[in-house]
Amino acid sequence: EAGVAQSPRYKIIEKRQSVAFWCNPISGHATLYWYQQILGQGPKLLIQFQNNGVVDDSQLPKDRFSAERLKGVDSTLKIQPAKLEDSAVYLCASSFSRDGYTFGSGTRLTVV
Amino acid sequence: GNSVTQMEGPVTLSEEAFLTINCTYTATGYPSLFWYVQYPGEGLQLLLKATKADDKGSNKGFEATYRKETTSFHLEKGSVQVSDSAVYFCALSENEGTYKYIFGTGTRLKVLA
Repeated sequence: EAGVAQSPRYKIIEKRQSVAFWCNPISGHATLYWYQQILGQGPKLLIQFQNNGVVDDSQLPKDRFSAERLKGVDSTLKIQPAKLEDSAVYLCASSFSRDGYTFGSGTRLTVV
Repeated sequence: GNSVTQMEGPVTLSEEAFLTINCTYTATGYPSLFWYVQYPGEGLQLLLKATKADDKGSNKGFEATYRKETTSFHLEKGSVQVSDSAVYFCALSENEGTYKYIFGTGTRLKVLA
């Protein structure tokens, strides 16, 4: 089966600019996650979707981050405006059940 | 709240050495436990998992046993290879609510030829 697709792979922006990331999960996976992985740290959940509804966004900085999952398939994560501390790898994952995510390769964001 | 603690890295070993990476967790209830591996420039890949106490997960020569009494899930491999060089993450999945994953900080393994 095809994996979780993410784009772009890399992005460099200046602080206060906006950026968007895209994720296409594995077909049939109802649950989709966005994680933020800062260098040297483990991934931290930003938001979890079940189909096109938000299940958990308790750690999403809602003043600057937003995410949507239209039609319960693809998802986009947006940051506006970006800060230096947003530099990280943004990982998308999807799952059919709770016993194992499949991760995409991630988008490495550098804010300068 | 729930948490995962991993041993600090980096861990540097010679090829064919024995590997142990310690992982302990704090959780209410009975979480599922996982090890993920991240090779340079790639995303996280599921290495192995265990869903209940005393289960042993294994894959590619790696294994880990779910020890409820010590709240541990240590990763072991009898003979590492250079190709095992990567970052290893221990994680738990909460068994209720959103079933979200909580990851440890990762342990970098470097295997020298």
